[in-house]
This record gives sequence, C-alpha cells and structure tokens, in this order.
Amino acid sequence: DTGVSQNPRHKITKRGQNVTFRCDPISEHNRLYWYRQTLGQGPEFLTYFQNEAQLEKSRLLSDRFSAERPKGSFSTLEIQRTEQGDSAMYLCAIAGPIGEKLFFGSGTQLSVL
Amino acid sequence: AQSVTQPDIHITVSEGASLELRCNYSYGATPYLFWYVQSPGQGLQLLLKYFSGDTLVQGIKGFEAEFKRSQSSFNLRKPSVHWSDAAEYFCAVGVHSGAGSYQLTFGKGTKLSVIP
Repeated sequence: DTGVSQNPRHKITKRGQNVTFRCDPISEHNRLYWYRQTLGQGPEFLTYFQNEAQLEKSRLLSDRFSAERPKGSFSTLEIQRTEQGDSAMYLCAIAGPIGEKLFFGSGTQLSVL
Repeated sequence: AQSVTQPDIHITVSEGASLELRCNYSYGATPYLFWYVQSPGQGLQLLLKYFSGDTLVQGIKGFEAEFKRSQSSFNLRKPSVHWSDAAEYFCAVGVHSGAGSYQLTFGKGTKLSVIP
C-alpha cells in the first residue's frame, strides 16, 4: 500500500466525452504529482501541486486537461473532449518526507473509443 | 535535459538464475537514481534509490543496484530470480525543476519474464 488511492481503476469513454479522475492520498502530503503512461513507455510528468497550488505543468498537458487540488488534499484530473490519443494510464504520486521519493497509486486506465 | 535508456525491452530468465537489468542515464550533475517495478495494470513500486554515498544500494525483494559514474549506469541485479519477479522494471533519474517540483524521467522499461 503506497498510501495513494485512485478512482476509477478503469474508464472507457467515447471520443469527445469528458472524464474526471480522482486521487486521494491517505494522509496529508504537501506534494502531489500526476503522470501519464502510454503503452510501451515509461511514465511522463504531467503536473505538480504543492498543497493546493499547481506550480508546474508539462507541455504534454494541453488546454483540454485541467487539474485541481482543493484544500491541498485530494486531487482531480479532468480531460475535456477526449481523443483516442488520450488513452493511457494516469498515475498519481505523492512525495516522501524529503521530497525525492515518489510513491505511486495504482492508476486509472483510460480507454477512448 | 536528462534522459534514461534501458537497452533491453524484454528479458527472459529461468527461475533461480541471476538477473541484471541495464540502465544508462544522461544528466549533467550527480543524479538521483531509482528503480521501480510495475506489475500488469498496477502502479509503480519503488525498489531502491541512489542519492549519494555507497554506490552499491540494497533494495526490497532482494534487489540491488550499482551506480557507476564513469559509465553513467545504474544496473539492477538479483542473484536468484523468483517467478513472482516477473514484471516490468523502470529506471528513473530525478531532478529538481525551477518551479520547485521534483520530476522523475523514466526509461521505457524492461519487461522481465521468468521461466519456471
């Protein structure tokens, strides 16, 4: 158990629909990350929160993507007008006490038909 | 920019045999290096890390890795593989960004299959 819960585990949607994923750290962690992993690739950084502030966004995060972390606890990642290229595993991670170790959740597998 | 290369896409070993997974990195300064393991449909579990000091680091599940600065390598080893080790293994380099985040750059992974 890494202390990070992600829901849903799987999401199948039709192209053009909006989807939202949720990440719940079990305990309070200042630093929270979203990564995306496509088939045959390693995870790639999407965005970073320190408490409720979104401090960094990757160029991979197009305008159709938005992430929030109200109150610095759970986080949501929304994709609007999904495209087939959005099909991937979306991983949430929290940073350990000194920040350099990341602990990942089990991810949400998105399939866009 | 930093990068990680895992030259082997897929490796098959017999149960009980030794294992070495290769990882080469590119980064201008002393890197923070990690190995993660991922079972099918699951998230990533941290096996071990190198920050500084002893270049041979021990991890969970009997894994170890050796940092070799001269070769820009951080290879993962296990003396005797168990069937439950079958999974995908990712090497990563960690760097601090200007915005205060700490980003991991991953290799493409090596899939390990174990023959009973």
